[in-house]
Amino acid sequence: DAGVTQSPTHLIKTRGQQVTLRCSPKSGHDTVSWYQQALGQGPQFIFQYYEEEERQRGNFPDRFSGHQFPNYSSELNVNALLLGDSALYLCASSLAPGWGSDGYTFGSGTRLTVV
Amino acid sequence: SQKIEQNSEALNIQEGKTATLTCNYTNYSPAYLQWYRQDPGRGPVFLLLIRENEKEKRKERLKVTFDTTLKQSLFHITASQPADSATYLCALYNSNYQLIWGAGTKLIIKP
Repeated sequence: DAGVTQSPTHLIKTRGQQVTLRCSPKSGHDTVSWYQQALGQGPQFIFQYYEEEERQRGNFPDRFSGHQFPNYSSELNVNALLLGDSALYLCASSLAPGWGSDGYTFGSGTRLTVV
Repeated sequence: SQKIEQNSEALNIQEGKTATLTCNYTNYSPAYLQWYRQDPGRGPVFLLLIRENEKEKRKERLKVTFDTTLKQSLFHITASQPADSATYLCALYNSNYQLIWGAGTKLIIKP
């Protein structure tokens, strides 16, 4: 039973560039959430996708956008990269949005470094 | 403003003893509170969820309490082992179904 798969595992980009991160949810899960985690901090909620639509969004600028495909996989896009965007980007899947009582299943993340 | 606070200092515990981690929150009235474990370079792993009408939840050597009056949750690991060394994060839902996280407490179990 495959868990959450994220790619790539590591990425180095230059300021101003654009990046796309990918996520395949756990089998049977239909909801994908994205988080940004800076070193030594807890994850910060970026947005959540369900039924191919953005259902919730955290306090992130429009440079952060996403997409969910019919097979429930998802992409996170970040435009005009800033040094401060360097972080571990985590994808989490669950069965349906809302008050998930079974917790979220996380991938191992994509470590993005902006230079 | 809404805050979740966990002890930012690492917690050093002797193997075999009970480790107790604290999660305090302000300006929330969460219906659920969750605890996760995170190892370096990995994503968080779900451990336990406790509801506001539950005082205590257990799973093997883990125990979580939830005091909505004190706005505090305690996470206990009994008979701790070096393999329990990790960062432990608490998280709760805000009114918009968004999971809000503490910064985590690093637990070190010494043999």
